[in-house]
Amino acid sequence: AQSVSQHNHHVILSEAASLELGCNYSYGGTVNLFWYVQYPGQHLQLLLKYFSGDPLVKGIKGFEAEFIKSKFSFNLRKPSVQWSDTAEYFCAVNARTGTYKYIFGTGTRLKVLA
Amino acid sequence: DARVTQTPRHKVTEMGQEVTMRCQPILGHNTVFWYRQTMMQGLELLAYFRNRAPLDDSGMPKDRFSAEMPDATLATLKIQPSEPRDSAVYFCASGLVRADTQYFGPGTRLTVL
Repeated sequence: AQSVSQHNHHVILSEAASLELGCNYSYGGTVNLFWYVQYPGQHLQLLLKYFSGDPLVKGIKGFEAEFIKSKFSFNLRKPSVQWSDTAEYFCAVNARTGTYKYIFGTGTRLKVLA
Repeated sequence: DARVTQTPRHKVTEMGQEVTMRCQPILGHNTVFWYRQTMMQGLELLAYFRNRAPLDDSGMPKDRFSAEMPDATLATLKIQPSEPRDSAVYFCASGLVRADTQYFGPGTRLTVL
């Protein structure tokens, strides 16, 4: 069965620190990959997505993610975080065939200290 | 700026009462998803529809939950009877088939006393 693992449940960083959030998925076929962000009290918003092509994807607000097919990973990175990046981050996967059902990870809560 | 809308935004009810949550997907989107978010379980997929037909509702407690799309502009999620453990934020999301982005609504915060 498809699954998505986010190993870091809570991350605390100081402003200007670098960020990397892990995401691993389990699925034998071709997938689309997403990172969503949920700011406190708000709904989920798309941060970036990978469908095909360059495995290094750039998203909004300086975020990027790298798809490594051999590792089934899609880690999220940002070189220098800001206090406003405090949010919960969700990795998601859906298969390119079949019912296109989305599977979300459990989320990583990031707190950035000013 | 097209958005998914959800009503009500907040709902407080007593155990045993019926709760109906509504979602208006973005015009032209043909997939609709219902999620429940709690601190303990995170984000759970309850049901999703494509072209108004239910594709998967395996995440939904069948005895008390039901989801429908009476037309392309309205999706509903009903709980009858409601229980305190149903307290959560319920999100609706819509998108286009073939793996496009999901656009989330603002959510309905449900509290069952």
